[in-house]
Amino acid sequence: AQTVTQSQPEMSVQEAETVTLSCTYDTSENNYYLFWYKQPPSRQMILVIRQEAYKQQNATENRFSVNFQKAAKSFSLKISDSQLGDTAMYFCAVFTSYGKLTFGQGTILTVHP
Amino acid sequence: DTAVSQTPKYLVTQMGNDKSIKCEQNLGHDTMYWYKQDSKKFLKIMFSYNNKELIINETVPNRFSPKSPDKAHLNLHINSLELGDSAVYFCASSQTTVGRPVVSEQFFGPGTRLTVL
Repeated sequence: AQTVTQSQPEMSVQEAETVTLSCTYDTSENNYYLFWYKQPPSRQMILVIRQEAYKQQNATENRFSVNFQKAAKSFSLKISDSQLGDTAMYFCAVFTSYGKLTFGQGTILTVHP
Repeated sequence: DTAVSQTPKYLVTQMGNDKSIKCEQNLGHDTMYWYKQDSKKFLKIMFSYNNKELIINETVPNRFSPKSPDKAHLNLHINSLELGDSAVYFCASSQTTVGRPVVSEQFFGPGTRLTVL
């Protein structure tokens, strides 16, 4: 079984600034993958970034990057140069055992102009 | 072209009714899923099918029955609807590699908001 915890129910940031969303997880498996998904008000689930647990290098995708600390089971998301369109709910998820995605509770991010 | 589509997008019905939600993907994926997102936005997997075979069945009441007529479709039928079934239901798909954990991302449909009165 795996669990994912997002301890920040809500976060806010000014446009153009940087914000970090926290995520911790627990899994007994050795091979797993970590994802951040974004859910804007349209409710569509959109993949933001993914990290393979066996890779030590932190994943980056344009303005989005992660800080993956495997020993601490921590997987935070950093958004640089925040834009109004980044306003959404963000979900951290761990992916193991033939496709089972376990999600955290989500963090509502609001970007202010 | 829509990758993962669901119909209907909104469904309002009375308690006790039976309803179905349809899902189709045109990505050529071999694995499909149903997730439930409750009123607190918590997302939880319900079912997963790989090549029409059920591989994940979380603790879901028997009133929920998924049906996969082919790899591109996974429908969800719900009998005797209850107030607690009100939620947003998401269909998703991904491509697996036999014998290994799924490595590709899951593509989600737009969701179906089910309201039981």
